[in-house]
Amino acid sequence: DADVTQTPRNRITKTGKRIMLECSQTKGHDRMYWYRQDPGLGLRLIYYSFDVKDINKGEISDGYSVSRQAQAKFSLSLESAIPNQTALYFCATSDPGRPWEQYFGPGTRLTVT
Amino acid sequence: TQLLEQSPQFLSIQEGENLTVYCNSSSVFSSLQWYRQEPGEGPVLLVTVVTGGEVKKLKRLTFQFGDARKDSSLHITAAQPGDTGLYLCAAGSSNTGKLIFGQGTTLQVKP
Repeated sequence: DADVTQTPRNRITKTGKRIMLECSQTKGHDRMYWYRQDPGLGLRLIYYSFDVKDINKGEISDGYSVSRQAQAKFSLSLESAIPNQTALYFCATSDPGRPWEQYFGPGTRLTVT
Repeated sequence: TQLLEQSPQFLSIQEGENLTVYCNSSSVFSSLQWYRQEPGEGPVLLVTVVTGGEVKKLKRLTFQFGDARKDSSLHITAAQPGDTGLYLCAAGSSNTGKLIFGQGTTLQVKP
């Protein structure tokens, strides 16, 4: 079984709709991250969490919110989706002792029409 | 702002050829990572380099960290179609605890 799972894998939604992307991990890591990937731009950090009570904004947090429900679960919400939020979204985890070695989920392809 | 610049952005070669991908920055990093991403999947960590001048080998892949710890290279010997994918370099900021990524190099190896 995969260590980091994401649901849904694909989603098409309309402008203005609220959508939630979910991430679960079985690696036992305290740190979790949400990234967005666009062609030619690499991966950009949206939000990150060092533990259940520690949530921080990344470089592109506007229009997004997160919830860390448990050590193993970290969800990303788009309160009112807009077309330029169409992208690939990845969740990742890491151990505090090796924070730069991150383990990624398979991604969610989100299309906002 | 710390930036990682990768070159080239795209590379299309024939099976058996050698290639090098570069990752450059004006900042000094305590470590640098290389990830590989296949279509429909998340990035997978290949290697971490820590010491200036360090060289690590992973089968036909050779990774080098610059002496000043500002740049890195990935060299693939005798590329195979299975090497096709997106290669990403990344480095962590000790101050912020965040990982920054280069924009990636898309490699296509034709049979």
